[in-house]
Amino acid sequence: RKEVEQDPGPFNVPEGATVAFNCTYSNSASQSFFWYRQDCRKEPKLLMSVYSSGNEDGRFTAQLNRASQYISLLIRDSKLSDSATYLCVQRAAGNKLTFGGGTRVLVKP
Amino acid sequence: ETGVTQTPRHLVMGMTNKKSLKCEQHLGHNAMYWYKQSAKKPLELMFVYNFKEQTENNSVPSRFSPECPNSSHLFLHLHTLQPEDSALYLCASSAGTGVSGANVLTFGAGSRLTVL
Repeated sequence: RKEVEQDPGPFNVPEGATVAFNCTYSNSASQSFFWYRQDCRKEPKLLMSVYSSGNEDGRFTAQLNRASQYISLLIRDSKLSDSATYLCVQRAAGNKLTFGGGTRVLVKP
Repeated sequence: ETGVTQTPRHLVMGMTNKKSLKCEQHLGHNAMYWYKQSAKKPLELMFVYNFKEQTENNSVPSRFSPECPNSSHLFLHLHTLQPEDSALYLCASSAGTGVSGANVLTFGAGSRLTVL
């Protein structure tokens, strides 16, 4: 089983709709989590950290479920500019960062 | 502009060539990283440097040789590469390597390498 697993997608989303996707992790000792966004042929950029209580940043909401070992990202009121690959990242003991393969989101008019 | 600059952005080399990738960060960070991103694969950590000392080598073949002369500069020297080494090589930096929330990665735009 991969340490960090994501549905590769693509998730085809009508503009204005809500989309949500998960990332599962196998290392129960994982200490923190992040969502990065990567546009086509560009570098990954930090979207948001994920806190135990869940957190929101504008149209984006991240949740962490330690019991079931997954994190989620929800995007409300999708914009065309939200089209990207979303990378799930876990930080485990020893500060080891592990990236998931990414979930591709395509927002269409 | 992220504050992490990589050159060259594109590189084509033969298997017998020697070339180098350069990374420079202007963020005052102390840690620098090399990652490899191949098509349809997750990012793979290659090397970590903290205060210019190598702290992690993720079983990378010796044909990849990193060099970190100071906390702001990181090189990846390439020699006798194989076609399967073709990938996007991403440099990143962070304030430190501890678990503090401040230690998130900032990536450069990457160097896209093609080995013929």
